[in-house]
Amino acid sequence: DARVTQTPRDKVTEMGQEVTMRCQPILGHNTVFWYRQTMMQGLELLAYFRNRAPLDDSGMPKDRFSAEMPDATLATLKIQPSEPRDSAVYFCASGPGVGGEQYFGPGTRLTVT
Amino acid sequence: GEDVEQSLFLSVREGDSSVINCTYTDSSSTYLYWYKQEPGAGLQLLTYIFSNMDMKQDQRLTVLLNKKDKHLSLRIADTQTGDSAIYFCAAQTGNQFYFGTGTSLTVIP
Repeated sequence: DARVTQTPRDKVTEMGQEVTMRCQPILGHNTVFWYRQTMMQGLELLAYFRNRAPLDDSGMPKDRFSAEMPDATLATLKIQPSEPRDSAVYFCASGPGVGGEQYFGPGTRLTVT
Repeated sequence: GEDVEQSLFLSVREGDSSVINCTYTDSSSTYLYWYKQEPGAGLQLLTYIFSNMDMKQDQRLTVLLNKKDKHLSLRIADTQTGDSAIYFCAAQTGNQFYFGTGTSLTVIP
C-alpha cells in the first residue's frame, strides 16, 4: 500500500529557530506538492515540483521558506527563521503527473511559540 | 487567482443522499477535484473530472459539472456515518490549484 510519508508528524519550536519538514513521495510519482492548512486561510499551495524541478513556488514566502528535492525520494520544506504565524499543518502530496490525482501525506503539525 | 466556494456545513440522515456543491470562477479550469479529510488526517482524493465531461460516477459517488455555470457537485448515495468528514472541492488552472474552504458533512444515525 503505497503512501506519502512525512516527518516529523508534530513539531513545536521557538520563534527564530529553523524548521525542516521532510516528505517521501510515492515511488514513481514525478510531481510533489507542498500545502499549508490553517483555520483562517484554509488550504494553500506553497510549491510544487515536477521531475524534481520547481514548477511553481509563487505561493511560498521567499524570504524565509525554501523547498527542495535533493533526490526523487525526498522533498524538504525549510523555514528559517520560523515565526508564530507559520503555525499550521503542512501537507506534502505526490502525483503521477500534472493534472489528475494527488496523494496526500498525513501532515506535519507545526507550532511556533 | 481563482475563487472556489463551498457552503460550510451539511447534515444528512444515514441512508439519505448527500449533495455537496461548489462554484468556481475560472472557466479555463481543466480539472476539478473532490477530496475528503477526516480529523487529524491528510486529504484523500475521492474523484476528479476533466472539464470536457459533465458527469462521472464511481460507486456511491456522482460528480456533476455544469461548465456554463461553473458549478460542481458531489453526490454521495446511501450516506453512511463513515462519510462524516470535511469535503474539499479544488480547481486546477494551468499549474495552479485552488481549494475551497471545505464542507463539513455530518451524518446523523
